Amino acid sequence: NAGVTQTPKFQVLKTGQSMTLQCAQDMNHEYMSWYRQDPGMGLRLIHYSVGAGITDQGEVPNGYNVSRSTTEDFPLRLLSAAPSQTSVYFCASSGGGGETQYFGPGTRLLVL
Amino acid sequence: AQSVTQPDIHITVSEGASLELRCNYSYGATPYLFWYVQSPGQGLQLLLKYFSGDTLVQGIKGFEAEFKRSQSSFNLRKPSVHWSDAAEYFCAVGPGDTGGGNKLTFGTGTQLKVEL
Repeated sequence: NAGVTQTPKFQVLKTGQSMTLQCAQDMNHEYMSWYRQDPGMGLRLIHYSVGAGITDQGEVPNGYNVSRSTTEDFPLRLLSAAPSQTSVYFCASSGGGGETQYFGPGTRLLVL
Repeated sequence: AQSVTQPDIHITVSEGASLELRCNYSYGATPYLFWYVQSPGQGLQLLLKYFSGDTLVQGIKGFEAEFKRSQSSFNLRKPSVHWSDAAEYFCAVGPGDTGGGNKLTFGTGTQLKVEL
């Protein structure tokens, strides 16, 4: 079991560029989420999904898009990167209810 | 809306001393409550969680937490801290419904330093 994997580990973008952060899990979890972590602010929920084809917005969704075509994958898209999106991004998955949410290792994104 | 407050940004304790990290939450019903730990440059590891039942919850690495509904608190404790416990600790709350553990609101974290 690889658990939750994220690629890339680190990325530098220029303002206005687009990119996709990849997230995959091999635990057959229905629930997946994206968080961003900024100094002094903890983690904040961007988007989440309760199953393939179903997504919803979290606390800070602006500037990000998601889709969930398979149970395993939950990519996060930045359509036009801004310096305010410089952050560490974590993907997580869980089996639902109050089950443990497993986090990936994170993607560190720098937008210049 | 749910929210979490961790009033202590930094805490320093001596190795072998006891530890208590504070967490207060706001939520209209019974929430899911979690404590996570993050070592530098790493992801998050679950220490323990509370859903219902016994209000004293045991976790990994010798940690425990007590849910106090009347105080809206979920403080994390450890009787004797080890140098390897130095890390950042996050309290989180999720709505107590299906998928609630998937929609977490995190506190801003408490950075723990352990003096040898």
